[in-house]
Amino acid sequence: NAGVTQTPKFQVLKTGQSMTLQCAQDMNHNSMYWYRQDPGMGLRLIYYSASEGTTDKGEVPNGYNVSRLNKREFSLRLESAAPSQTSVYFCASSEGATSQYEQYFGPGTRLTVT
Amino acid sequence: AQTVTQSQPEMSVQEAETVTLSCTYDTSENNYYLFWYKQPPSRQMILVIRQEAYKQQNATENRFSVNFQKAAKSFSLKISDSQLGDTAMYFCAFMSNFNKFYFGSGTKLNVKP
Repeated sequence: NAGVTQTPKFQVLKTGQSMTLQCAQDMNHNSMYWYRQDPGMGLRLIYYSASEGTTDKGEVPNGYNVSRLNKREFSLRLESAAPSQTSVYFCASSEGATSQYEQYFGPGTRLTVT
Repeated sequence: AQTVTQSQPEMSVQEAETVTLSCTYDTSENNYYLFWYKQPPSRQMILVIRQEAYKQQNATENRFSVNFQKAAKSFSLKISDSQLGDTAMYFCAFMSNFNKFYFGSGTKLNVKP
């Protein structure tokens, strides 16, 4: 059981470049989430998907797009990276009410935009 | 908008002592969940304890317990018999009715031998 996996672990981009962060979970969870964590701050929700086929904006969605490809996979895309998007990105999944909304987190992706 | 405030950026405690981490939140919702997550230097987020707002009884998990004061919108975490492995960042989190999560800025806990 791998839990929640994220690729890549590290990435350096130049301003204006695009990239997709991949996330997959093998726990058959309905809900998936993307967060960013900046130094000295907690996690901030970018987008979430309460179930397959649905996505909703979180607290800081600007500059990002997401795709819930299937129940297992939830990707985050930066179309035109900016230095303000330098951060650590976490993906998480949750079964929802049946597990009292416990989230399981991936190991994170450290992204630097120069 | 929901907000979560952790007013203690950093705290220290001696091994085997008790420490309390503070958290306040702001919401107009009546039903919600509250969580404490631990993030050790490995960066992995680990659930410590959770509380459902409609439950009056404070949640406990072994050495971890909460003091949930709904009217005051306060949700503090008490760690008893602190261990060196408790050294980590601790984040308070709020989940709204709409499945959105909001995290505080964290408290860095240092357990000293």
